[in-house]
Amino acid sequence: GENVEQHPSTLSVQEGDSAVIKCTYSDSASNYFPWYKQELGKRPQLIIDIRSNVGEKKDQRIAVTLNKTAKHFSLHITETQPEDSAVYFCAASKDGSGNTGKLIFGQGTTLQVKP
Amino acid sequence: DGGITQSPKYLFRKEGQNVTLSCEQNLNHDAMYWYRQDPGQGLRLIYYSQIVNDFQKGDIAEGYSVSREKKESFPLTVTSAQKNPTAFYLCASRRTGGGNEQFFGPGTRLTVL
Repeated sequence: GENVEQHPSTLSVQEGDSAVIKCTYSDSASNYFPWYKQELGKRPQLIIDIRSNVGEKKDQRIAVTLNKTAKHFSLHITETQPEDSAVYFCAASKDGSGNTGKLIFGQGTTLQVKP
Repeated sequence: DGGITQSPKYLFRKEGQNVTLSCEQNLNHDAMYWYRQDPGQGLRLIYYSQIVNDFQKGDIAEGYSVSREKKESFPLTVTSAQKNPTAFYLCASRRTGGGNEQFFGPGTRLTVL
């Protein structure tokens, strides 16, 4: 079945360093890849997403890259700050007519940014 | 904050009891989803509904039931058949036809005593 693998499961960086989280997906028909940030005990919130017709997208300190051939996409956070500490989830789904909007989530990465 | 509400925030259940978790949205979204979150795992899809009076099973539907009688509401019942129901339950909604961003509710933490 459809599957998304996410690595690493935990990541600790010093404030100001960069953090990279990687995901691979199994369904080559997937064409929408969101990233969610979840703080402890709170709801996941979308921070950035990318569609398969784009290789890279950037929003201030956050960027996402997509390699469709390798079925691989990554989240890059630069100049990390303590408030970036949270659990990050990647997901994949198929967009288009008749799509269900089902998101297949990775297992999550706990990011800790040390002051 | 997102227009999706879930209640209660915390719920305690005795073994053998059915409980119903509420999810309401005022975003005029057609599609709604229920996920289960366990420690160290991602979100797993329980049920989803793309339109009123219609819903489909997700990956882990056993022991759960839903209804979609109104566009705004998508309650989830955790039945006694669910062997390990203690978890954090998240409801989400999405506007169909306009992309796949899902908006999440604040969640309900269910504990079986």
